This record gives sequence, C-alpha cells and structure tokens, in this order.
Amino acid sequence: DAGVIQSPRHEVTEMGQEVTLRCKPISGHDYLFWYRQTMMRGLELLIYFNNNVPIDDSGMPEDRFSAKMPNASFSTLKIQPSEPRDSAVYFCASSDNTGRQPQHFGDGTRLSIL
Amino acid sequence: AQSVAQPEDQVNVAEGNPLTVKCTYSVSGNPYLFWYVQYPNRGLQFLLKYITGDNLVKGSYGFEAEFNKSQTSFHLKKPSALVSDSALYFCAVRDSFYGGATNKLIFGTGTLLAVQP
Repeated sequence: DAGVIQSPRHEVTEMGQEVTLRCKPISGHDYLFWYRQTMMRGLELLIYFNNNVPIDDSGMPEDRFSAKMPNASFSTLKIQPSEPRDSAVYFCASSDNTGRQPQHFGDGTRLSIL
Repeated sequence: AQSVAQPEDQVNVAEGNPLTVKCTYSVSGNPYLFWYVQYPNRGLQFLLKYITGDNLVKGSYGFEAEFNKSQTSFHLKKPSALVSDSALYFCAVRDSFYGGATNKLIFGTGTLLAVQP
C-alpha cells in the first residue's frame, strides 16, 4: 500500500513568495495532520482535519499560514507571504478514526526560505 | 494537561549492549502510548504501541516497551543494540480532553540514540 505522499520533497524560495505544500493521505484514513519540525522547537502540530473538516488549528503560527482539505485524498498547506523563519521540515500524517492505530507520516517537505 | 517527557536528549550505547530510551507521561484516563523512530531525512516511523493488555509490548526491529502504570512510564528497550538503530526516537500519547479522547498525539521532545561500533 502507498503511504502518505508529500510533494515537493524540497523547496527553496525567496522571502515573500507564496509556498504550497501538498499531501495525499492513506486511502481510507479519516484524519490528516500537518506538523512542522525545527531544531529549536522540535515537532509541532499545526492543524488537523477530520473528514476534511479542520478540527484544531491552534498550532498555526500566523495568518500567513492556511490549510485546506478539499477532498479525502488531498490537502495543502500554504504560506503567503513566506519568511526565513518559516524554514523547517513540514510533515503530513494520516490515521484512521479508531484512535488505536498509529499516525502514518510522509517523508516531509524540507522548506528553505532565503 | 496531557504531556510526555523524554528526559534524555541523547543516549549512547555500545553495539551489542542493551539499550533503554525513557519516556514518562501524564494523561487523564487510560493512556494510548506510541513509540516512533525517525531516520535522517525521513518521516516518523511507527515502532510499537500500548493500548491495553500485556504491559510488555513487542514491536518492529526487535524493540519492545514496558508499560508501567504506577510509574507512568513507557520505556523503549532492545536487548542488543545495532549501529543501524542510531536515530531519533519519539514517545507519544493520545490526547484527551474533558474526559474524552481525540486522535491527536502529544509527542515528547525526542531522544537521539547513538550506537557506537
């Protein structure tokens, strides 16, 4: 089975540009999570969805960040405008709705804002 | 509030020796506990979980973990470490609120395991 698929794997862009990260969860999973990982802050949960509906976006750092899930097989995380401090590895994860099974993570997008 | 603590930033062990990576938790209700491993430039990979039942849980790559309710701990163990076990290890607990539960996980800060040949 295909795991969680994220694209692009690497993104380098200049400050002020719009950045869009993409995620395809595992088929049949009802939950989708977006995380950010940095050396300074570790692993942070940004937002998560249940059945395509955002449940908790309290981890989204600023209004520059937005996330959507237009259908069960696709989600985006957008940063507009981007800033150097947004440089991090962004992970997407998905899980079923039992709470008894683990979240499955993609391999992340390494974002560098110059 | 729910929380997970990994008291060691790094654990060093010689190849062939047993290893332990520590995790303690604080959660209301029954805990659902998970261990993940992260290799360089990869996402977190699930190792094992405790939901209910036997306190000793066996997982991938020869790892096991012991759930101890009285000490609120869930330490990760392996009888004989390999150099290839060198990675970042995360403990996590399922979040709960108002007596209910969510699918959200609370992660520890991670422990870097370094196995020397």
